[in-house]
Amino acid sequence: EIVLTQSPGTLSLSPGERATLSCRASQSVSSSFLAWYQQKPGQAPRLLIYGASRRATGIPDRFSGSGSGTDFSLTISRLEPDDFAVYYCQQHGSSPYTFGQGTKLQIK
Amino acid sequence: QVTLKESGPVLVKPRETLTLTCTVSGFSLSNSRMGVSWIRQPPGKALEWLAHIFSSDETSYSRSLKSRLTIYKDTSKSQVVLTMTNMDPVDTATYYCARSPDYYYHNSGYYPDAFDVWGQGTMVTVSS
Repeated sequence: EIVLTQSPGTLSLSPGERATLSCRASQSVSSSFLAWYQQKPGQAPRLLIYGASRRATGIPDRFSGSGSGTDFSLTISRLEPDDFAVYYCQQHGSSPYTFGQGTKLQIK
Repeated sequence: QVTLKESGPVLVKPRETLTLTCTVSGFSLSNSRMGVSWIRQPPGKALEWLAHIFSSDETSYSRSLKSRLTIYKDTSKSQVVLTMTNMDPVDTATYYCARSPDYYYHNSGYYPDAFDVWGQGTMVTVSS
C-alpha cells in the first residue's frame, strides 16, 4: 500500500502570499495518477489538480501542481480568502487508492 | 448536470450491516469508461478510500476493510451500493461517493481517473 505523507500539517499564511504544500509517497507514483483536492468545512472535497499538474475544470490558474516519482507539490501563487481550507493529495495508480492525511491552510 | 447523492441510515448499531446507496444523475453507469468510488471521513479526520467499481463491474477494495465491504451497481436504477458488515463505533464517519470519469490500463491493471464529482456525503453514526 502506498502511503502519502503531506507536509506541513498546518500552514499559516496571509492573503496574497504564496503557499506550497508537499505530498511525499512511500513508493513511486505515476504522475498520471496523482490528484489534489480541496475541502472546506462541512463540504465534500473538490478536485483541483489531476495528473499531478492538470487543473480541473473551473480551477483558477493560481493553483498549480508539480512533481514526479515520490515527491509532489501543490502551489497557490497568491492566496485569496476563499483558499483557506484543507488540501488532500491522492494516488489512484495502485490499489488501494490512498489519500494523504491533509494539510490545513489557515489564515495567519 | 452531473450529481451524486448518498442515502442510507443515520444510525446503526454495533455488529449490524450498513447499506449505503449512491444515486447518480447526469451520466449513465453503463457508460463504458465511468466508475464510482466510496470514500469516508471520520469526524475531524482525513479521507479514507473504501471501494471502487468500474464500468465493467470489476471492483477494488481497501486492503484493511476488504473482508467487510461489497460494492455493486444497479445500472437500471442509476445506483451504486456499498455494504459494510459488522459495524463498529470506529466506523462512524461521513460517507461519500464520487465519480471517476475514465480509467486507464497501467502496470498490468486498470485504474480509475481522479474523482471529479462528489456527492454531498451522508453521516453515519454507529452506536447502541
